[in-house]
Amino acid sequence: QKEVEQNSGPLSVPEGAIASLNCTYSDRGSQSFFWYRQYSGKSPELIMSIYSNGDKEDGRFTAQLNKASQYVSLLIRDSQPSDSATYLCAFFNYGQNFVFGPGTRLSVLP
Amino acid sequence: DAEITQSPRHKITETGRQVTLACHQTWNHNNMFWYRQDLGHGLRLIHYSYGVHDTNKGEVSDGYSVSRSNTEDLPLTLESAASSQTSVYFCASSDGAQETQYFGPGTRLLVL
Repeated sequence: QKEVEQNSGPLSVPEGAIASLNCTYSDRGSQSFFWYRQYSGKSPELIMSIYSNGDKEDGRFTAQLNKASQYVSLLIRDSQPSDSATYLCAFFNYGQNFVFGPGTRLSVLP
Repeated sequence: DAEITQSPRHKITETGRQVTLACHQTWNHNNMFWYRQDLGHGLRLIHYSYGVHDTNKGEVSDGYSVSRSNTEDLPLTLESAASSQTSVYFCASSDGAQETQYFGPGTRLLVL
C-alpha cells in the first residue's frame, strides 16, 4: 500500500474557478501535514502547513485535514494561470521523517 | 537573506566515477536532507542529518553517502555513479524534525 496517494492529474480548471487537490495517507501516526507547490524545473516551495483537524486559510488557499479519514486537501480559490504547477502533499511522522506524495499537476486555463 | 544553495546545478558524468554534490545553507538549521526526484516516484529521501556528525539513511541510500562536519554543509557523494542515478537532486533544511523543509534549487545529474 502506497503511503501517500494523490491523483497525478493533470487537473484542469478554468481561470477564476476553485481547484481542489486531494491527498490520502496510510500512516495514522502522522502528525504534521504540508502542501508544496513545484513549478516545472524548479524546487518545491511551501504553501501551507496544517497540524490539527479542520480548515486553515491563507489568502486564496485553504488546507483541510481530517485525521480520522486520513485525508488532507488543498483548495485554491479564484485560480490563476500562475497557479499552474505540480502540488505535492507531504506528512511527517517521527521515525519516518517526511514522506512526499507523487504530486498532482494543476493546469489553470485562461 | 538566509538561503540554501546547491552546486553544481548541472552535471554530466560517466558510469563508475565518483561524484560529489554540494549543499550549503545559511539558515543555521540543524536538519538537512537529500532527495532525488524522478518521474513517477516523486521525492525520495536519500540521507538526512539532524546535526553535526549525525547522518542517517533514507529510503534510497544505496550507492550514496553523506558526511556532516559543520552546520552549514551536507555534501552528497555517489561512490561509483550508475545510470540509474540519473536524476534531479534536491537538498533541503529545516529548523526542527517536523518543521517546514526549505529546498535548494536542485542539481540535474546525468550519468552516461
